[in-house]
Amino acid sequence: GNSVTQMEGPVTLSEEAFLTINCTYTATGYPSLFWYVQYPGEGLQLLLKATKADDKGSNKGFEATYRKETTSFHLEKGSVQVSDSAVYFCALSDDSNYQLIWGAGTKLIIKP
Amino acid sequence: NAGVMQNPRHLVRRRGQEARLRCSPMKGHSHVYWYRQLPEEGLKFMVYLQKENIIDESGMPKERFSAEFPKEGPSILRIQQVVRGDSAAYFCASSPRGPRDSPLHFGNGTRLTVT
Repeated sequence: GNSVTQMEGPVTLSEEAFLTINCTYTATGYPSLFWYVQYPGEGLQLLLKATKADDKGSNKGFEATYRKETTSFHLEKGSVQVSDSAVYFCALSDDSNYQLIWGAGTKLIIKP
Repeated sequence: NAGVMQNPRHLVRRRGQEARLRCSPMKGHSHVYWYRQLPEEGLKFMVYLQKENIIDESGMPKERFSAEFPKEGPSILRIQQVVRGDSAAYFCASSPRGPRDSPLHFGNGTRLTVT
């Protein structure tokens, strides 16, 4: 079946460091891929998405490229800030168009 | 346009009581999803509803749990005879169409504690 695997956290970085959070997936068909972010005490918010191979989603300095050949959708940011501290979830939508398959989440801690 | 509203924000129940969680989707959204999140874990899909219909309840335990999304009013997730293992954060999300075509908008969750 479909699945999403994220790198385990927590990931701890210093401010202005480069960020990569790995996400790989297993899916049949042509899923859409998403990154959601959850700040402490809040619900999830969509960060970015990509709907087909080689698409790049970007928002707030974050980027992720849909790589079909490596079945990956890694999240990157060139220079992180303390305010980026949150839990990041990778997800895919399957062909049913209502199910989102979620990764376990990666907690990111940015130290000043 | 108000976001997804969930209440209560925190709910404490003793074992054996009923917990009722409410979710008002964003205006114009007819798709509602309920998820459960255990501490330090990801989201687990529970149920997907469109107005008055349960589309997929495969993630919801067959016993004690039920969900509805009536024509008027909020969506309700009901847990009867709660047990300690039900303690978790329950999130509701809504969208105008399926998640492939439109992002999910999440509420801030209801944190259920069973004592």
